[in-house]
Amino acid sequence: DGGITQSPKYLFRKEGQNVTLSCEQNLNHDAMYWYRQDPGQGLRLIYYSQIVNDFQKGDIAEGYSVSREKKESFPLTVTSAQKNPTAFYLCASSIGGQGSEAFFGQGTRLTVV
Amino acid sequence: LAKTTQPISMDSYEGQEVNITCSHNNIATNDYITWYQQFPSQGPRFIIQGYKTKVTNEVASLFIPADRKSSTLSLPRVSLSDTAVYYCLVGDRFLMDSNYQLIWGAGTKLIIKP
Repeated sequence: DGGITQSPKYLFRKEGQNVTLSCEQNLNHDAMYWYRQDPGQGLRLIYYSQIVNDFQKGDIAEGYSVSREKKESFPLTVTSAQKNPTAFYLCASSIGGQGSEAFFGQGTRLTVV
Repeated sequence: LAKTTQPISMDSYEGQEVNITCSHNNIATNDYITWYQQFPSQGPRFIIQGYKTKVTNEVASLFIPADRKSSTLSLPRVSLSDTAVYYCLVGDRFLMDSNYQLIWGAGTKLIIKP
């Protein structure tokens, strides 16, 4: 089955630690995205990538980093510089621009303890 | 970028038709209107997309008036499992620009009662 896989589903991190969230897709999509969602809120764009080895900052990129070494993979690192990292993180991909149909993973819930 | 306005919440009953309206006064010529559904602790799921007039698929219909400043998602004969948050987005399907970012509002929380 084609789709997007995020792992892990739940993640706990101690303050001051970096943590990497995995996102893999087998849809052959060029564009991939990372969003953050806080309770009762819409999605906010962290980073997106239109093509391998290229990525752009979204509205809330501070404290996060990404890489896009392969078309299928777009991992997100939440660094210790992110002041409020506890949130629900969603990865998505699309065949076209942001206004095209996006396919989302099941999300990773990160909790800083 | 076009911002959308939706009701914060709506209630309905099983078997009813539910219509959720979205306002997007600043929609651009190349923008499409897209609706997503999201259940708690899951990623959003695409429901339907349209540009003008009416679009229908197996789960919903989308009505877009001629001026395109609003749109209505219609869910026929809802069930309890349709309880979710519904998001309306407006954006260009083809533009890939680092300065172009879709705006996700808080969506409409739809509660279906027995």
